[in-house]
Amino acid sequence: DQQVKQNSPSLSVQEGRISILNCDYTNSMFDYFLWYKKYPAEGPTFLISISSIKDKNEDGRFTVFLNKSAKHLSLHIVPSQPGDSAVYFCAAWKGKLIFGQGTTLQVKP
Amino acid sequence: DSGVTQTPKHLITATGQRVTLRCSPRSGDLSVYWYQQSLDQGLQFLIQYYNGEERAKGNILERFSAQQFPDLHSELNLSSLELGDSALYFCASSAEGGLSYNEQFFGPGTRLTVL
Repeated sequence: DQQVKQNSPSLSVQEGRISILNCDYTNSMFDYFLWYKKYPAEGPTFLISISSIKDKNEDGRFTVFLNKSAKHLSLHIVPSQPGDSAVYFCAAWKGKLIFGQGTTLQVKP
Repeated sequence: DSGVTQTPKHLITATGQRVTLRCSPRSGDLSVYWYQQSLDQGLQFLIQYYNGEERAKGNILERFSAQQFPDLHSELNLSSLELGDSALYFCASSAEGGLSYNEQFFGPGTRLTVL
């Protein structure tokens, strides 16, 4: 039973353009949603979060949007930079973190 | 550097064996979490300890067990290993460990290969 899904295993964008990573969830009781970024040979690092009572949170080049009616979460990176190339995990919190499978983002110079 | 350390970095062992993975949380953090990342899988929550006591359990097999010691470091014990246990095992720590989300800081992981 996969409560958090990232249906796109990979995404490739050009430097300077927008990257949009998507995530769907099934449990409407989640309190918090988060995005983590992971480079090879490192652990995931926290990127940005959003409370279930909000619909948008922005931090520099990163914006997370939450659409509760659609049970959908997205991360926008504008402008994308080559250093953003990594695996991005969305996660949801209800007493514990439930992660999606990850999306590998490649930003081409 | 998250401040969370995990040893060893790599572990290669045979089926049926037992291994112990070790995690030291960030200074001052009371909660430790263990996650498993298998091939093509997201991170699966295994278990959480808070100040020495088990706080939450996820998809942890009965062959696996964990504990948190008085100095707050934690160990994950994996026994009767099977090929399917080959995975990356991450430890994370947070300051608190209640029902409200506390930012979790992840270690670099231990890569376990079972041959």
